Amino acid sequence: RKEVEQDPGPFNVPEGATVAFNCTYSNSASQSFFWYRQDCRKEPKLLMSVYSSGNEDGRFTAQLNRASQYISLLIRDSKLSDSATYLCVVNKEGNSGYALNFGKGTSLLVTP
Amino acid sequence: NAGVMQNPRHLVRRRGQEARLRCSPMKGHSHVYWYRQLPEEGLKFMVYLQKENIIDESGMPKERFSAEFPKEGPSILRIQQVVRGDSAAYFCASSPSGQGSYGYTFGSGTRLTVV
Repeated sequence: RKEVEQDPGPFNVPEGATVAFNCTYSNSASQSFFWYRQDCRKEPKLLMSVYSSGNEDGRFTAQLNRASQYISLLIRDSKLSDSATYLCVVNKEGNSGYALNFGKGTSLLVTP
Repeated sequence: NAGVMQNPRHLVRRRGQEARLRCSPMKGHSHVYWYRQLPEEGLKFMVYLQKENIIDESGMPKERFSAEFPKEGPSILRIQQVVRGDSAAYFCASSPSGQGSYGYTFGSGTRLTVV
């Protein structure tokens, strides 16, 4: 089983739509969870951390289910500028675990 | 307040040559991490360094790859005798401590092409 698994997509959605991405991870010792965004041929950029209680940042909502080892990202009212690859990221172990495991990413294309 | 700086942005090497990739961490950061992204793959952890120390190189290929972070100057990732399979994007990140709790800011990367 891969350490972090994501549906690669692509997800093609119209502007204004709501879209959700899911991710599963294999290491139950992981304590830190993130969503990154990566534009074509650019570096990954931290979108948001993911907390057990769930958290929201504007149009973005992240959820974590530790029992199922499952992470989600919901994007509401999609904008053209949201088109990118979304990376699910989990640290290797514990809160002092500095090394991150990256999923391959889910591709999103928002169309006019 | 400059972010993580990497250079060169693009590097072309012939098979058998050496590649040197440089990373200057954010101001005040003494912890540096190197990741590699092969085409169509996710980022993979390579090495974690502090000033003058390699803390974890478990992700580094056993041969031809080395990294350093000297007391003065940038961190260097060195690839000797490059092969086509080394073609990838190499990203560097830095942090003020070794905690993984906060996520990292990455530099813009070096895209290595081996011809």
